[in-house]
Amino acid sequence: AQSVAQPEDQVNVAEGNPLTVKCTYSVSGNPYLFWYVQYPNRGLQFLLKYITGDNLVKGSYGFEAEFNKSQTSFHLKKPSALVSDSALYFCAVRRAGANNLFFGTGTRLTVIP
Amino acid sequence: DAGVIQSPRHEVTEMGQEVTLRCKPISGHDYLFWYRQTMMRGLELLIYFNNNVPIDDSGMPEDRFSAKMPNASFSTLKIQPSEPRDSAVYFCASSPRDWYEQYFGPGTRLTVT
Repeated sequence: AQSVAQPEDQVNVAEGNPLTVKCTYSVSGNPYLFWYVQYPNRGLQFLLKYITGDNLVKGSYGFEAEFNKSQTSFHLKKPSALVSDSALYFCAVRRAGANNLFFGTGTRLTVIP
Repeated sequence: DAGVIQSPRHEVTEMGQEVTLRCKPISGHDYLFWYRQTMMRGLELLIYFNNNVPIDDSGMPEDRFSAKMPNASFSTLKIQPSEPRDSAVYFCASSPRDWYEQYFGPGTRLTVT
């Protein structure tokens, strides 16, 4: 079975401060991990992915995520938050060899000016 | 490319009526996915196609829901008869043959009264 947990429904951070959005996963075999962002009244937009290789993955808009196999985590990070980063963030996992993604419940990020 | 196109963007209908949602995937993408998003259940995969063939429809809630993909550039999701609990945002997504990430459409907001 595959599952994704985003333990925080809401994350608030001051503009200019570093941000972290947490994600843990459960999957048999090697995981493929993804982060998506959703702005109001829009579809999900791909941010970054981990398939293999370096554990630190860099993506769009200055975001990055670190794959930690021992902790089964894939936390999303950004060194300096912008007000425009305020959105709903989804972590997703796919088992190698499978075609469907399992999404977490989402974390609403609010960056306070 | 225009991205994934969905129509209509908003649909309001009365309980018992038939509803048809439409999707045009990105040209050249072999996979097409239908998702439903609600506050209570988050983002759920309903069904996905590979080269126009339904691969996994285990997420389709019940027989009132059906999906077709008559060709590579068009898919429909039909609900007949519709019920108030079907109210949600329905997303279509597509991905390329050697896919990792999915590209989402803007969604159709369905309200069943």
